[in-house]
Amino acid sequence: GDSVTQMEGPVTLSEEAFLTINCTYTATGYPSLFWYVQYPGEGLQLLLKATKADDKGSNKGFEATYRKETTSFHLEKGSVQVSDSAVYFCALSDPRGSTLGRLYFGRGTQLTVWP
Amino acid sequence: DTAVSQTPKYLVTQMGNDKSIKCEQNLGHDTMYWYKQDSKKFLKIMFSYNNKELIINETVPNRFSPKSPDKAHLNLHINSLELGDSAVYFCASSQGSGGPYEQYFGPGTRLTVT
Repeated sequence: GDSVTQMEGPVTLSEEAFLTINCTYTATGYPSLFWYVQYPGEGLQLLLKATKADDKGSNKGFEATYRKETTSFHLEKGSVQVSDSAVYFCALSDPRGSTLGRLYFGRGTQLTVWP
Repeated sequence: DTAVSQTPKYLVTQMGNDKSIKCEQNLGHDTMYWYKQDSKKFLKIMFSYNNKELIINETVPNRFSPKSPDKAHLNLHINSLELGDSAVYFCASSQGSGGPYEQYFGPGTRLTVT
């Protein structure tokens, strides 16, 4: 079945450090891939997405490239800020078959950025 | 205007009680969801409705019953609350159920069962 595996946290970085959060997926079809972010005390919000192989999603300095050959969608940011401290979720949606477009989430990665 | 709203934001109650959480979206979306987030931030989908019709019903105790009076509202009723029900419950909505649609989440309801 469809599933997402992302690196376990917590991840602790200094401001301006480079960030990578790994995400790999298993899917029977051709899924769309997402990164959601959850700031403290809030609901999840979409950070970026990619709907087909080799697409790159980007937003707020974050990027992720849909790699079909490695079934990966790693999240990167060149220079993190304190305000990026949050929990990051990788997710996939396979619109085919009986999954009805539901989102399959990874377990989340807590990021803390220190000044 | 808040896109997806939930009430209440906090709910503290005793074991055995019955409680409800309400959700409303003003985005004109057709599909709504309930998720449960545990203390380790793991998200589990519970239910999904598309145009008031139940389309996802995960392995959830029968004590949980969703109700969708119209496509803008999805409520969650929980009977005979147990300690293990303590969690944050999120409502979400999306444009549809069959494509790569973004899901919009509410702010969550933190349920504490004592």
